[in-house]
Amino acid sequence: NAGVTQTPKFQVLKTGQSMTLQCAQDMNHEYMSWYRQDPGMGLRLIHYSVGAGITDQGEVPNGYNVSRSTTEDFPLRLLSAAPSQTSVYFCASSTSLIQGWRTEAFFGQGTRLTVV
Amino acid sequence: QQPVQSPQAVILREGEDAVINCSSSKALYSVHWYRQKHGEAPVFLMILLKGGEQKGHEKISASFNEKKQQSSLYLTASQLSYSGTYFCGTVEGATNKLIFGTGTLLAVQP
Repeated sequence: NAGVTQTPKFQVLKTGQSMTLQCAQDMNHEYMSWYRQDPGMGLRLIHYSVGAGITDQGEVPNGYNVSRSTTEDFPLRLLSAAPSQTSVYFCASSTSLIQGWRTEAFFGQGTRLTVV
Repeated sequence: QQPVQSPQAVILREGEDAVINCSSSKALYSVHWYRQKHGEAPVFLMILLKGGEQKGHEKISASFNEKKQQSSLYLTASQLSYSGTYFCGTVEGATNKLIFGTGTLLAVQP
């Protein structure tokens, strides 16, 4: 059982480049989300999805795009990378949406992104 | 708005107890607790729901004061394996957003 899989694990980008961080889950979870983690700032919500075809913004959405064409996949796109986007990115999924978060979130192992 | 955690860091000796607090200015539907070890993903510890329901690991203890929008995580008889950063996550009302605090770094020494 793979759970939540993120690729790549590490990435170095030049300023202005674009890339897509991949996230896939095999648990048939409805809810998927992306967080970034920076020292001293905890986990901040970037975007989330409550099901295929439905996405919404989190706390820090600027500079990122998402789409959800299937239940399993939730890619995060950086359109034009900036040094401020250097961070560790975590994808998370959960099964239940009944009245907001009644079950645990499962996290991927993270993608460490450096923008130079 | 991120919930506020306190303390920011705590150092314990094995066998000592600790309490980590989490508070929000918003009415909460649920509070989550996760632990993250260095270089790893956060791992689920407990969910506390409005109305008193709790789900989580047997050895973890926590409380949720709905009126004050506060939660506390109780770590008793700490072990070296308890070391890591603890995050609380809160869900306001019936939103779909799980918002995390800035974390509490816990170090347990022999």
